[in-house]
Order: sequence, then structure tokens, then C-alpha cells
Amino acid sequence: ETGVTQSPTHLIKTRGQQVTLRCSSQSGHNTVSWYQQALGQGPQFIFQYYREEENGRGNFPPRFSGLQFPNYSSELNVNALELDDSALYLCASSLDGLSYNEQFFGPGTRLTVL
Amino acid sequence: KNEVEQSPQNLTAQEGEFITINCSYSVGISALHWLQQHPGGGIVSLFMLSSGKKKHGRLIATINIQEKHSSLHITASHPRDSAVYICAVRSMDSNYQLIWGAGTKLIIKP
Repeated sequence: ETGVTQSPTHLIKTRGQQVTLRCSSQSGHNTVSWYQQALGQGPQFIFQYYREEENGRGNFPPRFSGLQFPNYSSELNVNALELDDSALYLCASSLDGLSYNEQFFGPGTRLTVL
Repeated sequence: KNEVEQSPQNLTAQEGEFITINCSYSVGISALHWLQQHPGGGIVSLFMLSSGKKKHGRLIATINIQEKHSSLHITASHPRDSAVYICAVRSMDSNYQLIWGAGTKLIIKP
């Protein structure tokens, strides 16, 4: 059974640039959730994808967008980067997006915006 | 007031001590998660509870649905248990997202 993987592990960008982060879900999982964790804070929900469709979104602006592919891997895209976007970005996979199914987390991508 | 409150915020203990971390929540939930986050960021899911008690090795998690309270216990604590422990609940009003506590930073000294 393959766990959740994320790439890259670290990334440095400058303000105004665009970034794409990637997540491969655990084998058999069809749901991916993305979270942003600023330093010293708890994770904040960005959005969730279930079977290639966005089916839930937190309080993040439209410049945060995502995709889920037929193999259920996922991308998080952030346009027009701002300094406050510097954070650890976590993805988690689960089965069927249901509330009683456990989420399994990837190691995260640490994004620094200069 | 946050929907999920953890206590204490920080906890330092000696190796071997029995550790208790508490979580209280104010919303109706379908499940409660305890997660562990080490420096560097990776999050590991420890338990998912909707009732009663679960045990895994030296870790025990309990939940009281009526009182909206959960505890995470660590028996015979060890320096490798040092991490941030996070309580997160899945609200009945929001099946898509977890509502996270602020975390408890645990340091176990040898």
C-alpha cells in the first residue's frame, strides 16, 4: 500500500509568481483535501476534490485552484503569490469524501514567498 | 471562542510520566481525530473516534460525546513522543473539512 506523497518538499518563489504543488493519494483513495498551515498555527482547509470534482471549499480566494486527475492525484495551483502564502501545504487522501473515513496526510510542501 | 479548544498549549514532562492532553469542542461532530505533527511538518493520524475509547501501543484516546470532550493519553512517555498533538473534529454541518485545534506542544525530557 503506497502512502500519500507530495512534491516538491520545499519551494521558494517571489511575490506575484505562480506555483503548482502536487499530491499523490494513497492507493485506493478517491478523495484529496488540501490544507494550508501557517507557522505556529493549525491547518486551514482550502478545498477537497472527489472523483475529479471540487466538492468543498474553505475561505480561500479564487487564485487558489486545484485539479484532480483520473488516477486521483491532485494539484494545488496558487496564482499571484503573496507573502502571506508562505506556509506548509498539506494534502490528505481518503475514501469517498465521507466524514467517517479517515484522512491520511502527506509530508507537506513548504512554500516560501519572498 | 474557538470551536475546538485544546489544553494545555505546551507541556514539558520527564521520560516515563503519564501524559494527558485534552480537547473540548462546541459543535456537533461525526468524528474526532487525534494527529501528531513532528518538526518539519508531516502529520500522522493517530486515532479517529466517534465514541468510546481506542488504544494503540502506549497511546489511548477517549471521547465523551455528551460532554463534547476527548482526551489523549500517553503512558510511559519517551523523548521520541515529543511533537505537537492536534485534535480535529469533523463537524456535522461541514462534512468536507476538519476543524482543527491549535495543538499541544509536548516535550519529553530524558
